Amino acid sequence: AQTIHQWPVAEIKAVGSPLSLGCTIKGKSSPNLYWYWQATGGTLQQLFYSITVGQVESVVQLNLSASRPKDDQFILSTEKLLLSHSGFYLCAWSPLGVYEQYFGPGTRLTVL
Amino acid sequence: QQQVRQSPQSLTVWEGETAILNCSYEDSTFNYFPWYQQFPGEGPALLISISSVSDKKEDGRFTIFFNKREKKLSLHITDSQPGDSATYFCAASPEAGNYKYVFGAGTRLKVIA
Repeated sequence: AQTIHQWPVAEIKAVGSPLSLGCTIKGKSSPNLYWYWQATGGTLQQLFYSITVGQVESVVQLNLSASRPKDDQFILSTEKLLLSHSGFYLCAWSPLGVYEQYFGPGTRLTVL
Repeated sequence: QQQVRQSPQSLTVWEGETAILNCSYEDSTFNYFPWYQQFPGEGPALLISISSVSDKKEDGRFTIFFNKREKKLSLHITDSQPGDSATYFCAASPEAGNYKYVFGAGTRLKVIA
């Protein structure tokens, strides 16, 4: 069975500080990977997607970057956090050639 | 630009009633429509999905009705249970090979026992 793990579970960071969030998929080779951001009580905004190692496509510009260093790992980062980065960050995966997306448990980020 | 719209924003039904959640879209290239259920503090869970070649998809108490001509779809939850209380998101994805997904604003459902 496939499992998706996100770390950390929650973060409290200062404005201007760096950030790195991670996501790991186990039990599935060559998945498509996605990052989403969700404001409290809001919709899901797709940020990035990756269909292969080393390749990441940006969907919306929010002063964030993403990388896929391994087949099963997706990293979201920024060098300088803004207040507007606060929210719920969700990683998702889909099997190759399949539309269905499966979400991880998320990381709650609070920027002060 | 909001491409997927959901209504109502919130909905309250009694236990046992049928809840109807609506979704509409603008982009005619969308051809896959998943619905997600999200509980507070958790990631969304795929509930049921439909492709544009179908007009109905049923899975237990959950049914999607799809009208391609009007670019509308609805999720019907029959025999609603208090455990169904959650936020439901309608999403849309274009043709194969396009990995961009658009989500609606969500409908917050409350089922009263």
